[in-house]
Amino acid sequence: GQQVMQIPQYQHVQEGEDFTTYCNSSTTLSNIQWYKQRPGGHPVFLIQLVKSGEVKKQKRLTFQFGEAKKNSSLHITATQTTDVGTYFCAGRLGSGYALNFGKGTSLLVTP
Amino acid sequence: DTGVSQNPRHKITKRGQNVTFRCDPISEHNRLYWYRQTLGQGPEFLTYFQNEAQLEKSRLLSDRFSAERPKGSFSTLEIQRTEQGDSAMYLCASSFGSTGTGELFFGEGSRLTVL
Repeated sequence: GQQVMQIPQYQHVQEGEDFTTYCNSSTTLSNIQWYKQRPGGHPVFLIQLVKSGEVKKQKRLTFQFGEAKKNSSLHITATQTTDVGTYFCAGRLGSGYALNFGKGTSLLVTP
Repeated sequence: DTGVSQNPRHKITKRGQNVTFRCDPISEHNRLYWYRQTLGQGPEFLTYFQNEAQLEKSRLLSDRFSAERPKGSFSTLEIQRTEQGDSAMYLCASSFGSTGTGELFFGEGSRLTVL
């Protein structure tokens, strides 16, 4: 089952509005990765965060890893219709090899 | 195309039949993962290979599921005595590395429908 929780499950915004999705784990994560899956497509890697408190930016996307390495967030500034898709966080729990995915946040952007 | 390749893309089978999926990872990627994804859910981890060694398998995985990666290149996932609950998209992903978790490159998936 899913050990990495994501909220919200869905988000519908107007183009130009900001969007944030949150990822939480009850267990300390070795790292956190974020993926985007377009409708009908497969997950595509966006970024990996490893260090406590790390913040990374990719153009309009800002990724954060919590100080306790148990939570993360993805923030999109001024959404565009090309941002439509489902955003997943995924983390390694402890020393395991498995990358555990959250249920994802589905983003719909209307022009 | 040098991405992750999965075959077949679609499989429809009757309950009780066996099915096998194949995954060809990106060349020289030593890590290979199998995931299962159903509608509205995130990918669910099934198993992990490093080279030819199967190093981790989900505790939730039925013993009807078996995976191999005999020469550390392509991998197969077999489901025996399929059940309707096995209907899902089966995703394969590969990555390269010796420590940590590298970027996973996913294939297009194999969609299984069990009637």
